[in-house]
Amino acid sequence: DVQLVESGGGLVQPGGSLRLSCVASGFSLSDYEMNWVRQAPGKGLEWVSYIRSSGSPVYYADSVRGRFSIARDNARNSVHLQMSTLRVDDTAVYYCVREGGTYGNDTFDLWGDGTLVTVSS
Amino acid sequence: SYVLTQPPSVSVAPGTTARMSCGGNNIGSKAVHWYQQKPGQAPVLVIYYDTNRPSGIPERFSGSSSRDTATLTINRVEAGDEADYYCQVWDYSTEHWVFGGGTRLSVL
Repeated sequence: DVQLVESGGGLVQPGGSLRLSCVASGFSLSDYEMNWVRQAPGKGLEWVSYIRSSGSPVYYADSVRGRFSIARDNARNSVHLQMSTLRVDDTAVYYCVREGGTYGNDTFDLWGDGTLVTVSS
Repeated sequence: SYVLTQPPSVSVAPGTTARMSCGGNNIGSKAVHWYQQKPGQAPVLVIYYDTNRPSGIPERFSGSSSRDTATLTINRVEAGDEADYYCQVWDYSTEHWVFGGGTRLSVL
């Protein structure tokens, strides 16, 4: 099956760090651009970060720039999001999303089920 | 930064037509994508590049775009269409993906 599976979410205190991982199966991650998108409880979708298939360039939402870092390991068919200096408003379900699949370069055609990050004391 | 504006909610009766707007400055010059998200599920692409339907999406779903507004239209609405719908564009000036705030479609 073609799918993305996220892991690494959990409960963390404000100011803490967490590393999210996303592993692809059924296709080669190295052929695609990848994104992280988050959704706070009861809220809408918020794009977080992007990484080109080659690993560069990378882009970040203003709300996370300087605190989050995206990276990929094409050999392990995975992409990661290192999150530091976490704040309460980073609480959300984080989705790993494939870009540039079946329907063109700019489409988010495959989403993982998401991993919940809760930032609370 | 670029902003996409969607009405928070749209309510229609079964069998009628639902139209959901997505407003943005000169959005007609951008490629607009639409996603459907049902409760507890990940979003699903329903319209890409303004007007195109992915395989498996019913013909009842269509999209259009003009100067400052993109529109997702669902004909012959069914109860199963109840969901949140999000529009999305790439903002070249900031190199950011941008989502609209989402529209909740209720089928009365």
